[in-house]
Amino acid sequence: SQTIHQWPATLVQPVGSPLSLECTVEGTSNPNLYWYRQAAGRGLQLLFYSVGIGQISSEVPQNLSASRPQDRQFILSSKKLLLSDSGFYLCAWSAIRGKSSGNTIYFGEGSWLTVV
Amino acid sequence: AQTVTQSQPEMSVQEAETVTLSCTYDTSESDYYLFWYKQPPSRQMILVIRQEAYKQQNATENRFSVNFQKAAKSFSLKISDSQLGDAAMYFCAYRSDSYTNAGKSTFGDGTTLTVKP
Repeated sequence: SQTIHQWPATLVQPVGSPLSLECTVEGTSNPNLYWYRQAAGRGLQLLFYSVGIGQISSEVPQNLSASRPQDRQFILSSKKLLLSDSGFYLCAWSAIRGKSSGNTIYFGEGSWLTVV
Repeated sequence: AQTVTQSQPEMSVQEAETVTLSCTYDTSESDYYLFWYKQPPSRQMILVIRQEAYKQQNATENRFSVNFQKAAKSFSLKISDSQLGDAAMYFCAYRSDSYTNAGKSTFGDGTTLTVKP
């Protein structure tokens, strides 16, 4: 079966420091990968998505970037964190359109980022 | 662009009773998927139920069922025999079936469900 893991689970970083959140998917190949951010008590905002290695699309202009160095690895980064980057970040995956998984998006456990 | 609206920021239900959470969406597409996700205090997003737009029959999963009204663009979630473990935030989500959209999903702002013993 497919699994998705992201880490670290909790992170406290000073303003201006770099960021790296990692996500890996097991048990599937060539997945679509996503990074979402969730503000307190709110819905999910799509930050980046990727349909293949090295293919990254950004949904929202911001201080963050994403990379996909391997088929099942997705990394969220920042060179210099801002206070406004604080939040809950979720990595997710889905099968390519048309596959039997029914186009469901499956989420990792999430990462709490606090910028101080 | 698609939008998803959950008009009930908070709902409460007595244990063992039934509650319905509302969701409406706006789209010009004909093929898409709709989902309800549950987010308990652990913040893990858990899939509750999925509906394919081309299916007329409403999806059911044990105590969870939906009322899908495609023409009205409405997708409500009914929880029967509510249990304390159902307490969570519930998100309605829309996913395009279009290649050009890479299966991106749009989420509502969520409804916080409280279950009273």
